[in-house]
Amino acid sequence: DTGVSQDPRHKITKRGQNVTFRCDPISEHNRLYWYRQTLGQGPEFLTYFQNEAQLEKSRLLSDRFSAERPKGSFSTLEIQRTEQGDSAMYLCASSLEYVGAGAPDTQYFGPGTRLTVL
Amino acid sequence: AQSVTQLGSHVSVSEGALVLLRCNYSSSVPPYLFWYVQYPNQGLQLLLKYTTGATLVKGINGFEAEFKKSETSFHLTKPSAHMSDAAEYFCAVSDYGNNRLAFGKGNQVVVIP
Repeated sequence: DTGVSQDPRHKITKRGQNVTFRCDPISEHNRLYWYRQTLGQGPEFLTYFQNEAQLEKSRLLSDRFSAERPKGSFSTLEIQRTEQGDSAMYLCASSLEYVGAGAPDTQYFGPGTRLTVL
Repeated sequence: AQSVTQLGSHVSVSEGALVLLRCNYSSSVPPYLFWYVQYPNQGLQLLLKYTTGATLVKGINGFEAEFKKSETSFHLTKPSAHMSDAAEYFCAVSDYGNNRLAFGKGNQVVVIP
């Protein structure tokens, strides 16, 4: 168990460019989450996957954002036509959820990708 | 929708003194409550969580928290602060059937030698 990994750790881009981030969850985890954290704030939920299915999206996830989790393993988060307001830390988390278990399992977080849009 | 409130963005505590971080939640159903810690340039690490059962929850690094339904609170404490406790601490809530975590704004803890 090597934990949740994210790549890249840092990304600097110019406004209007597209960027893509990758998250590799803990291998046996079936749930994968994306959060966004801006300076001085707590993380905010963006979206989550159960295996390869994207089950919920926050209203924060505008149509410029798209997330995928092909084959239920790693996930990518793409931002098209980046804006300065997209500058933030993008966090990925994973968990192992049993259907009908009730209490949620612990979400394990990766180190994040810090995006700076110039 | 569920939410949490953490007051006082920066908390200074002397080494060896009590650490107390306050968290109040709002939820229409019985909540699940979490405290996470974030060290610089690292992801969030779970300190402890409350789901059901015992209301006093013990976590890692000597931290504990008590769920008080009547006060809608889940305050985090540690009897004696250590220099290594300097970090940012986040309270979070989720509820049954809702997998998202709703985080507070966090407390930046500074430990004074």
